[in-house]
Parts: sequence; C-alpha cells; structure tokens
Amino acid sequence: GAGVSQSPSNKVTEKGKDVELRCDPISGHTALYWYRQRLGQGLEFLIYFQGNSAPDKSGLPSDRFSAERTGESVSTLTIQRTQQEDSAVYLCASSLTGAGANVLTFGAGSRLTVL
Amino acid sequence: EDQVTQSPEALRLQEGESSSLNCSYTVSGLRGLFWYRQDPGKGPEFLFTLYSAGEEKEKERLKATLTKKESFLHITAPKPEDSATYLCAVLRGGATNKLIFGTGTLLAVQP
Repeated sequence: GAGVSQSPSNKVTEKGKDVELRCDPISGHTALYWYRQRLGQGLEFLIYFQGNSAPDKSGLPSDRFSAERTGESVSTLTIQRTQQEDSAVYLCASSLTGAGANVLTFGAGSRLTVL
Repeated sequence: EDQVTQSPEALRLQEGESSSLNCSYTVSGLRGLFWYRQDPGKGPEFLFTLYSAGEEKEKERLKATLTKKESFLHITAPKPEDSATYLCAVLRGGATNKLIFGTGTLLAVQP
C-alpha cells in the first residue's frame, strides 16, 4: 500500500480482556517498529523487527505484551489482560534498509482505551 | 543512559514571529538525529535527518542544525499551518536501529 496501515483505529475494551492490534507496513520495508504514546507524552519504544533477525524486544513493558511478524509483512501486537495504564495510542512504523534505514514512516495509530 | 530532552514543552507564537525549538541529547556515538512533525490524531511525519555536528538542513520555513550536544529547529516567519508537535529522535551507535524520542514541543501559531 501507499502508507502504513493500522487497525483498528480505535479500540475500547474492559480491564482484563486481551486485545490485538494490527500493522500493515509499506511494501518492501523490511524494518517494522511499534511505539506507544500516552496522552501528552513522547513515543516509547516497544519492539523492532528487521527481516529474519531476532526482534529487539527491549521496550516491551511486561510479559503481557507480545508481538509477531511474519516475514516482511503484517505485524500483530497483542496485549493480554489489559490494564488501565495500557490506555494509549499504539503507533506502528516501517522503514527501508540501507541508506533509507531509520527514516520511519508511521501509521495513524491505534487508540486503545481500557475501562 | 540515552536521553533526549526537548524544550520548551509548549510554545505559542504570533504569525511571522520566528523562534527556535531545542533538542538536547546524551547518547553514545550518535549515528543520526531526526526531526518529525506530528499533527493531532496522526502519526509523526519525517522532516529531517542530521548526521554530524555542523550539518544543516532546510525545508520551507524550517531549518534544522546540529552540534555535538544539541539540535535546533528554527522556524522562520511561521504560519498557522506550522502548528503541530515537533519531535526529536536520536539513533545511537552500534548495531541497534532503535530510535529514542523526546517528549516533543507543542507549537501553536496564532494568526
């Protein structure tokens, strides 16, 4: 596609439920990132995928958070047993390798509200 | 520990009133410093990459500069459409490709 696509755009859930957030990166982009942005705050790194390499999971806040990516395509971020502090906008970004690496193209985000 | 600090947190300007936003960083072996713009309800949009001290980049009314400890985003004669949150991010040396973001500067330009 022309840009990074995220779904759902908005998700309201009850505390304790599991949620899945999806990201479709730009075709040909081998790197994919997930960031979390709480209201009025900056971007907090969660996880990074690069091709077939082991993902950098150093930003995942707890074992309730996990993410998968199949090859260079879609990624899913899963939050189990959601808590109110998980409420945030979850942003996905993708980038090329080589000279274009690290210039991230972001999606519009998935806004998660945990009641 | 890598750290990125942006100031001010918020800035209100009159249309045509030039100013600068600051991004101070502490990182081991800077490989790149990035500026992004974020409009409400949208993801950040890439503006500039700076790689070494002394480098400058320009785009329309925006000019980004870099020293060994900080970067400035200069806004010349801003217009209301420049209103947004401006985010700075750094990429440290080594094998990582993880960008560390600051908390941003919320810019409001009044007509």
